[in-house]
Amino acid sequence: GQNIDQPTEMTATEGAIVQINCTYQTSGFNGLFWYQQHAGEAPTFLSYNVLDGLEEKGRFSSFLSRSKGYSYLLLKELQMKDSASYLCAVLDSNYQLIWGAGTKLIIKP
Amino acid sequence: ETGVTQTPRHLVMGMTNKKSLKCEQHLGHNAMYWYKQSAKKPLELMFVYNFKEQTENNSVPSRFSPECPNSSHLFLHLHTLQPEDSALYLCASSQDRGSGPQETQYFGPGTRLLVL
Repeated sequence: GQNIDQPTEMTATEGAIVQINCTYQTSGFNGLFWYQQHAGEAPTFLSYNVLDGLEEKGRFSSFLSRSKGYSYLLLKELQMKDSASYLCAVLDSNYQLIWGAGTKLIIKP
Repeated sequence: ETGVTQTPRHLVMGMTNKKSLKCEQHLGHNAMYWYKQSAKKPLELMFVYNFKEQTENNSVPSRFSPECPNSSHLFLHLHTLQPEDSALYLCASSQDRGSGPQETQYFGPGTRLLVL
């Protein structure tokens, strides 16, 4: 079967750096997405990776290793507003989007 | 301001009621989606429409009935629901299907549904 694994919850300190990991086993691969979802709100698109390596967008970076079935989202200079759930999703060979259950990130002052 | 709107934002209904959820996208996208989101579970894809045609129905019970009158509007008609159907129902749209980055989905704020 197809599976996306990410930690259920993580805690980090304001101003610090946190890395949220995602591992996947899917039928083929056509890209990996990260979304942010604040409590009670819609998921919002953060990044898309299809090639190996690191993509940087301001304080957020996303890394992909297709050979290892692994990605991470790196958040730098954490702010209180970064408290949210972070969803990893993989587009499989049939262009079906397979979702992880999300990682709830708690930022403490 | 989101390009995808959903109404109502909250809904409480009895098991014998009939109600409809509405979604509208203002992004000029061709594909629209209904998802169910339950606590601590992955998003569950329910239905997909591409160019107004339903392309996927992921074994969703018949008490959920989608309708897509045009590429900007999507409805989810609800009838004789069960308490376990209580969840957040999210609508999303994407530029296209089957094309990598153009699969990037943009979500509405969701309808929080409670079935009593």
